[in-house]
Amino acid sequence: NAGVTQTPKFRILKIGQSMTLQCAQDMNHNYMYWYRQDPGMGLKLIYYSVGAGITDKGEVPNGYNVSRSTTEDFPLRLELAAPSQTSVYFCASSSGTGRYQPQHFGDGTRLSIL
Amino acid sequence: KNEVEQSPQNLTAQEGEFITINCSYSVGISALHWLQQHPGGGIVSLFMLSSGKKKHGRLIATINIQEKHSSLHITASHPRDSAVYICAVRSSGSARQLTFGSGTQLTVLP
Repeated sequence: NAGVTQTPKFRILKIGQSMTLQCAQDMNHNYMYWYRQDPGMGLKLIYYSVGAGITDKGEVPNGYNVSRSTTEDFPLRLELAAPSQTSVYFCASSSGTGRYQPQHFGDGTRLSIL
Repeated sequence: KNEVEQSPQNLTAQEGEFITINCSYSVGISALHWLQQHPGGGIVSLFMLSSGKKKHGRLIATINIQEKHSSLHITASHPRDSAVYICAVRSSGSARQLTFGSGTQLTVLP
């Protein structure tokens, strides 16, 4: 079982460029999340989705967009990359909102904006 | 908004020592998670609990709802336990979002 797969693992962008971080899960989970992790800080929620066609903003959504056309995929789009978006990005999924549902994380994408 | 504080931020121990990592939060929760982030960056869920105590191998997690506090204990620590341990809470009334602590970097020396 692959679980949650993120691509790419590393990327360097120039200021103003755009890119899409890919996330796919093969566990048929309805809930998917995008987080960013900055040095010395806790993970912060960017966007989340409760099912195909439904997305909602998290704590830090500015500068990002998402879509959820299928249950499996939840890509994160950066438009006009800025140095403040340099971070490690994690995608996660879970089967529901029950108290005991764990979130399964991908291995992360390390993104640098120069 | 829930605030999650972990202590200590960094912890170095000798192999075999008993380790305790603490997590405090500011408002009521429906569940608390302990996660482990490996040196390579991957994150795995260790425990989810809303009351009492859970044990898995050498790891024990406890929570005191009244005091808004949880602890993660590692018995007979081993160098392979070296990782960042993260506490995250799901606030009551917030069905979907977790609030994360900044993590505790644990290093176990042989």
